[in-house]
Amino acid sequence: AQSVTQPDIHITVSEGASLELRCNYSYGATPYLFWYVQSPGQGLQLLLKYFSGDTLVQGIKGFEAEFKRSQSSFNLRKPSVHWSDAAEYFCAVGSYNAGNMLTFGGGTRLMVKP
Amino acid sequence: KAGVTQTPRYLIKTRGQQVTLSCSPISGHRSVSWYQQTPGQGLQFLFEYFSETQRNKGNFPGRFSGRQFSNSRSEMNVSTLELGDSALYLCASRRSQGATNEKLFFGSGTQLSVL
Repeated sequence: AQSVTQPDIHITVSEGASLELRCNYSYGATPYLFWYVQSPGQGLQLLLKYFSGDTLVQGIKGFEAEFKRSQSSFNLRKPSVHWSDAAEYFCAVGSYNAGNMLTFGGGTRLMVKP
Repeated sequence: KAGVTQTPRYLIKTRGQQVTLSCSPISGHRSVSWYQQTPGQGLQFLFEYFSETQRNKGNFPGRFSGRQFSNSRSEMNVSTLELGDSALYLCASRRSQGATNEKLFFGSGTQLSVL
């Protein structure tokens, strides 16, 4: 069975500092990987996705993620965090035949210090 | 273009009652899926509909059901509510069914509280 682990439940960074959110997955087939962001009281917004090809993917709002098959990881990074990035971030895994059936990690809540 | 619309936004029910939640997908989107979000279990897939047919189902009891109408609007129903059903229920839509490489758009959810 597939699973996604986000080891950090909470992370606090200073505005302007760099950010890395960790995601490890377990999936038998070739995974499709996603990062979503959720602001309080809101639904999920897709930041970026990886299906194949270049293992470094660029997303919206200046985010990027790197797929490392050998480490079963898909970490999210941003070089300089803005106060508006404070939210909860979810890593998810799916596959070609899974349709909309994604398996999500538990989420990482990001707080940004001024 | 309007996003995924879920109604109602908030709902309070008591144990044993049943509830129906509604989701209107983005115009042109025919695939609709539902997720449950709780602090303890996180985000869990409930089911997916395409062309009025259930395509995938998550690991939830039979009290949870859904349907999709010919205009792609979807409803989910929970019967005999339990306290543990308190959650944010999220609906998501995309244009087609099958390959996951299409962007999935989420609504803001319906917050259900069971007392």
